[in-house]
Amino acid sequence: DTGVSQDPRHKITKRGQNVTFRCDPISEHNRLYWYRQTLGQGPEFLTYFQNEAQLEKSRLLSDRFSAERPKGSFSTLEIQRTEQGDSAMYLCASSFPGLAGRYNEQFFGPGTRLTVL
Amino acid sequence: AQKITQTQPGMFVQEKEAVTLDCTYDTSDPSYGLFWYKQPSSGEMIFLIYQGSYDQQNATEGRYSLNFQKARKSANLVISASQLGDSAMYFCSPEKLVFGKGTKLTVNP
Repeated sequence: DTGVSQDPRHKITKRGQNVTFRCDPISEHNRLYWYRQTLGQGPEFLTYFQNEAQLEKSRLLSDRFSAERPKGSFSTLEIQRTEQGDSAMYLCASSFPGLAGRYNEQFFGPGTRLTVL
Repeated sequence: AQKITQTQPGMFVQEKEAVTLDCTYDTSDPSYGLFWYKQPSSGEMIFLIYQGSYDQQNATEGRYSLNFQKARKSANLVISASQLGDSAMYFCSPEKLVFGKGTKLTVNP
C-alpha cells in the first residue's frame, strides 16, 4: 500500500490555459474526494466519487472545473481557462466506509500546488 | 450547512506540556462524527482521532484525546506531552466534508 499519490506535485500555468491533475487513491478505497486549499484556510470540498459515480459537487465547482473517475480507480480534475484565483493546493483523498475497525477517515495525498500567472 | 469554528489561529506550548485546541460546530444532522487532522509543513493531511456523536466516552488515541461536549457542540483536541514534531496545523471536521480554518500549533523546546 503506497498511499494516495497525486501528479504533478507542482504546476505553473498562464491564465487562460487548461490544466489537468491526476489522483491515484489507495487501491481498495471506493471513495475519492477532491479539495482545494488556499493559504491560511482549511480544505474546501469540491467533489467526491463513490466508485465511478460522482455523488456530490460543491457550488465551488464552477463549470470550468470537471472531475472524472472513469473506471472507479484513479481520478482527474481538469480546470479550463484558468484564472489567478484558481491558484491553490488541490488535495485528493480516499476512504473506504464500512471497513471494519475504521471510521471512514480520509487518507490524503501530498497535493498539487497550482500557480496561475 | 455545517459551520466549524476553530477560534485559535495560533497556539504555543512548551515541549512535554499538554495543549488543548478548540473546535465548535453547528450541525442539524443528528448522527455525525468529528474528525481531527494534522497538517505538517509538508502539506499532507494526517488523520488523528474520531469522535462519534453517539459515543458515550471521549475518544482517545495515544497522546491524543477529545473533550467532547455534545450539548455545547464542541470537540476539543487535547495533546498530552507535546513533542517538537507536533508543530503543525490542526483541523477539525465533521463527516460532511467541511473543515475548520485550523489552528497552528508551535511546540517550543
